[in-house]
Amino acid sequence: QKEVEQDPGPLSVPEGAIVSLNCTYSNSAFQYFMWYRQYSRKGPELLMYTYSSGNKEDGRFTAQVDKSSKYISLFIRDSQPSDSATYLCAPREGAQKLVFGQGTRLTINP
Amino acid sequence: GAVVSQHPSWVICKSGTSVKIECRSLDFQATTMFWYRQFPKQSLMLMATSNEGSKATYEQGVEKDKFLINHASLTLSTLTVTSAHPEDSSFYICSARAGDQPQHFGDGTRLSIL
Repeated sequence: QKEVEQDPGPLSVPEGAIVSLNCTYSNSAFQYFMWYRQYSRKGPELLMYTYSSGNKEDGRFTAQVDKSSKYISLFIRDSQPSDSATYLCAPREGAQKLVFGQGTRLTINP
Repeated sequence: GAVVSQHPSWVICKSGTSVKIECRSLDFQATTMFWYRQFPKQSLMLMATSNEGSKATYEQGVEKDKFLINHASLTLSTLTVTSAHPEDSSFYICSARAGDQPQHFGDGTRLSIL
């Protein structure tokens, strides 16, 4: 079993839809939870950063962490074609290295 | 936000040559830097972690004599691919972190060995 499981998709939705991206993990020691967005032929860009359980909102993006069920979510409201990218969840234990999910390829259709 | 600059963005060279890739944190001091390799449609694979002034820690299966990493200052790390061969062709990405803050990534280097 992988430490972080993420559905690779691809996921295709119409413009304006609410997108839900999810990961599950097995390491209960994860404390920091990051979401990165990666466009083709570019490096990952930090979208959201959460410490421990709870919700965090930034514009159209909301990150949720449920440590009791080891479940991480990223919601995108009013999705735009420019949101088309690969989304990577990446939890971390303390000062250890990031553990990446496989990434979900998302396409927003105009 | 935190900016990490990686150079060059694309390099083509002949088999047997060595290639150096630079990674700089432009607006913060990076206590830790990371080097990744990414194959098409796959997630990032960590190659090594380096702390400023210390030797890099390589992941299992990564040849330290093939991939030389130097982290000489709090803003600069370099990856040198020595005696590169076509199988070393890939997308290499660096990232940097200050303390326990999130990692920030460079835009990657596309390496093609002919």
